[in-house]
Amino acid sequence: GAGVSQSPRYKVAKRGQDVALRCDPISGHVSLFWYQQALGQGPEFLTYFQNEAQLDKSGLPSDRFFAERPEGSVSTLKIQRTQQEDSAVYLCASRLTGGTDTQYFGPGTRLTVL
Amino acid sequence: AQTVTQSQPEMSVQEAETVTLSCTYDTSENNYYLFWYKQPPSRQMILVIRQEAYKQQNATENRFSVNFQKAAKSFSLKISDSQLGDTAMYFCASTPNSGYALNFGKGTSLLVTP
Repeated sequence: GAGVSQSPRYKVAKRGQDVALRCDPISGHVSLFWYQQALGQGPEFLTYFQNEAQLDKSGLPSDRFFAERPEGSVSTLKIQRTQQEDSAVYLCASRLTGGTDTQYFGPGTRLTVL
Repeated sequence: AQTVTQSQPEMSVQEAETVTLSCTYDTSENNYYLFWYKQPPSRQMILVIRQEAYKQQNATENRFSVNFQKAAKSFSLKISDSQLGDTAMYFCASTPNSGYALNFGKGTSLLVTP
């Protein structure tokens, strides 16, 4: 596709449920990022992939958060046993190379945990 | 680590007028990149302009320009001839040349009025 896509756009989960958020980066983009954006805040870094390798997961809030990109394209962010504090917009971004090119963002998935 | 501060939570400007959004940052890096991203209500984050810190010349993209003051660690965005479509959240962000993740400020909500 022409841009980064994410699905679902909206997700409502009951506390304790597991959720999976999908990101389709721009075709051919090497780098992929996940960010978490709480209401009224700027995005905060969660994790970074270069191809299929997860090079940095230092921003993941807890071991309930897990991300993968097994074939170096589509990525999934999984949150286990969701908590109310996980409610946020989860943004995915991709970049052509591993350098400092522009990151292109998807529309985000708004997660609400009840 | 890099921190980014946007001191104006909300701003308003009339159509066709000029507005300046402020951003300061803190970094120990010598080489880094600075960005302004726009996030309309649809939530797709769009790059407005980027500046490479080693370049003296201020970046310009059509109606958007920056005032980059490296010594003062200031990176303001000027929007000329404001249009209704400029209404959005604006985020200032930085990334070191040695890094990859974007560090965002908390954003400035800009409202353009007729």
